[in-house]
Amino acid sequence: NAGVTQTPKFRVLKTGQSMTLLCAQDMNHEYMYWYRQDPGMGLRLIHYSVGEGTTAKGEVPDGYNVSRLKKQNFLLGLESAAPSQTSVYFCASSQTGGGGTNEKLFFGSGTQLSVL
Amino acid sequence: GQNIDQPTEMTATEGAIVQINCTYQTSGFNGLFWYQQHAGEAPTFLSYNVLDGLEEKGRFSSFLSRSKGYSYLLLKELQMKDSASYLCAVRAVNAGGTSYGKLTFGQGTILTVHP
Repeated sequence: NAGVTQTPKFRVLKTGQSMTLLCAQDMNHEYMYWYRQDPGMGLRLIHYSVGEGTTAKGEVPDGYNVSRLKKQNFLLGLESAAPSQTSVYFCASSQTGGGGTNEKLFFGSGTQLSVL
Repeated sequence: GQNIDQPTEMTATEGAIVQINCTYQTSGFNGLFWYQQHAGEAPTFLSYNVLDGLEEKGRFSSFLSRSKGYSYLLLKELQMKDSASYLCAVRAVNAGGTSYGKLTFGQGTILTVHP
């Protein structure tokens, strides 16, 4: 079972470069999320989607854009990378968003991004 | 907003019992999750509590007291493979809406199990 797949696993960018992180899930989940994880700060929500064609801002959306053109895919874009965006990025999905154990998150394996 | 506090680090001995605490302050509380994250890996779901009391799942149990804004994760018969970070995450809803799974995570507790 693939679950949630993220690519790439590692990436180094120079300040000002752009890139897209790809996330795919094969569980037919409605909800998808992008989080970043920094030391001492826990996971923080960047953007999320409650279904195909929808996106919404999370806690730390500045500098990022997302798209959910297909239900199984959720893309995270950095248009002009900054050193402050150096982090580990996790994509996640959940069956529902209405609470309960069906809202438990399934995470991808993460992307380590360094911006120099 | 929400505020979640967990101890930064804990150590324990193989075979022992350890309790990891999580305190939170939030309006519209609607559930609390615990996740386990091994170093360099993705978090994985451990437990969910929305009502007061203890939820037991094998060697792991999770407790919730909504009136005290307090939860703990209890790990019994510790094994070396339990060395990991344990993340507490609180779900809150707005009046008339849902948070769509917008959880607020604590910074995590790094548990080290020694032989």
